[in-house]
Parts: sequence; C-alpha cells; structure tokens
Amino acid sequence: DGGITQSPKYLFRKEGQNVTLSCEQNLNHDAMYWYRQDPGQGLRLIYYSQIVNDFQKGDIAEGYSVSREKKESFPLTVTSAQKNPTAFYLCASSGTPGTDFNYGYTFGSGTRLTVV
Amino acid sequence: EDQVTQSPEALRLQEGESSSLNCSYTVSGLRGLFWYRQDPGKGPEFLFTLYSAGEEKEKERLKATLTKKESFLHITAPKPEDSATYLCAVLGYGNNRLAFGKGNQVVVIP
Repeated sequence: DGGITQSPKYLFRKEGQNVTLSCEQNLNHDAMYWYRQDPGQGLRLIYYSQIVNDFQKGDIAEGYSVSREKKESFPLTVTSAQKNPTAFYLCASSGTPGTDFNYGYTFGSGTRLTVV
Repeated sequence: EDQVTQSPEALRLQEGESSSLNCSYTVSGLRGLFWYRQDPGKGPEFLFTLYSAGEEKEKERLKATLTKKESFLHITAPKPEDSATYLCAVLGYGNNRLAFGKGNQVVVIP
C-alpha cells in the first residue's frame, strides 16, 4: 500500500542536542512538507520541497533544517537553536496542483518530540 | 494570501444532535477546498474535496457543501466515534500549497 511513514513516533531530546525526524513516502509525490502542531495553534509550516534538491522556508523555519536528496525522503532536523521544540510534527506529501491534487495532502502519523 | 477561518473552535454535542461546522475562506480563485479529520495523536485523514460552488459530498454521517465564500461540514445524528478535530484547507490559483484553518474540535457525548 502506498503511504507516508514518519519515524520515530516518540522522540526525546536533551537540551543542546540536534535530532532528526524521518519522513518517507512511496506515493511518487513531487512535493513534501513539514508542519508543527501545537495545541490551539493549528498547523504551522516549517519547510516544504516541490522537487528534489530544492526546498523553501515556511512560516517558522528558524531552528530547523531539511534536505531533499531523494524524491521519497524529506528528513527534518531540529537543531539546538530551536528554543521550544516540544511539539507534534507532521510530514505530508502531495502531487502537483492541476495534475495530481485530488486529495490535497497525504499526511504521516506524526512524531511527538519532547525536550527532557 | 489565501486565508481560512473555522468556527466554532470547539463544539460539544449530545449523541444524535446534528450540527454544522463552518469554514470561511478568502482566495484568489478557488482550485479546491479540502476537509480532513484528525484524531488525537494522529495525522489528518482526507475526507472531501470540493471544487465549485453548489457542490456537495457525503460520507456516512458527514456532508460537505460549498458556496463562493464558505463551506459547511454537516454532521447528522453524530456518534461518539465522530469526535475529532476537523480541518479545512483551500488551494488558490495564486498559490501552490494549502492554507489551513485552525480546526473545529468536536466532542460527541454518549
């Protein structure tokens, strides 16, 4: 079955550490996205990529970094510069608007990151 | 910039008490309006896509409708398993990514 997989489901980070969240999709989607979700704040876009080897900052990119070396993979690194990283992180993928966008985004099941 | 406002933010319903959720939007030409359901601790799941005013789609106890300025998600005779956060998003012609609302949190009490 095609889908999008995030790992790990739960992640604990110590102060000053960088951590990387994994996101893999086998839907042959060109675009991938990372969102942060906090209670009462909805989905906030961190980074997105519309094609391999290219990505753009979203609304809250500070303290985060990404790479897009393969079409299937879009890992997110939460760096020590992110002062409040405790949140629920969602990865999504989509086709191209106008050709393959009938379902909008397909989301992963999320990673809950906690600073300890 | 595409914008989406959902109301009410939170809603408590008795089992069987029908109600509607509102999604108001502003967009430079609507390419599509999307509804998702999100359960606690999980990723959003796709429900419906609406493309033009007057369009309606149904799935079990849910019915989504669309006008030129807003969409409604009607929940008919809800059951406790309908408890979730419902997210609305739009794609405009001037953009290549979705704009999301903050969601409607629905709790259905047995």
